[in-house]
Amino acid sequence: GQNIDQPTEMTATEGAIVQINCTYQTSGFNGLFWYQQHAGEAPTFLSYNVLDGLEEKGRFSSFLSRSKGYSYLLLKELQMKDSASYLCAVRDEDYKLSFGAGTTVTVRA
Amino acid sequence: ETGVTQTPRHLVMGMTNKKSLKCEQHLGHNAMYWYKQSAKKPLELMFVYNFKEQTENNSVPSRFSPECPNSSHLFLHLHTLQPEDSALYLCASSQTPGQGSDTQYFGPGTRLTVL
Repeated sequence: GQNIDQPTEMTATEGAIVQINCTYQTSGFNGLFWYQQHAGEAPTFLSYNVLDGLEEKGRFSSFLSRSKGYSYLLLKELQMKDSASYLCAVRDEDYKLSFGAGTTVTVRA
Repeated sequence: ETGVTQTPRHLVMGMTNKKSLKCEQHLGHNAMYWYKQSAKKPLELMFVYNFKEQTENNSVPSRFSPECPNSSHLFLHLHTLQPEDSALYLCASSQTPGQGSDTQYFGPGTRLTVL
């Protein structure tokens, strides 16, 4: 099966920066996704990376290194509303999407 | 957002009950998915439908029975469930499942509790 690892929990202060790491071991690679999921709500799409490098979208950026099987999601200028679970998902050579267990980020005032 | 809707949002049922979960997508997508989300565990893919045809059954017990009458609607029929089936059941849809950039859009889920 596929193996996708990310930290269980992270805590940061409002206005700070937090980096959520994701490492993966999959059979082939066809892209990596990040989703945000607030408690009791639907996961919502944040970013997609298929080539190495950094993709920036406002306060959120996502980085990919295919050779290292590594990605991170960078959240800048943290706001209280960013408290949520962040899911890393990888699409393999058969185009199947596998998810990590998610990282719960708590933003404190 | 109302792209993907699910009903009911919460369901409590006994092990001998029969119930159904409903999902509807308003995005014009061709594929629909059922996932199970348990606490602290990765999302588990259960079923995939593409153009109303089931293309994946991820070794799901027969007490879960999916139905996809058209590309916009997906059901999950439940019968004789076990307490360990208690979880959040998420529905998702996407446009082109055979492409790397194909993005899945999720509904809010049904929180199921089996007593």
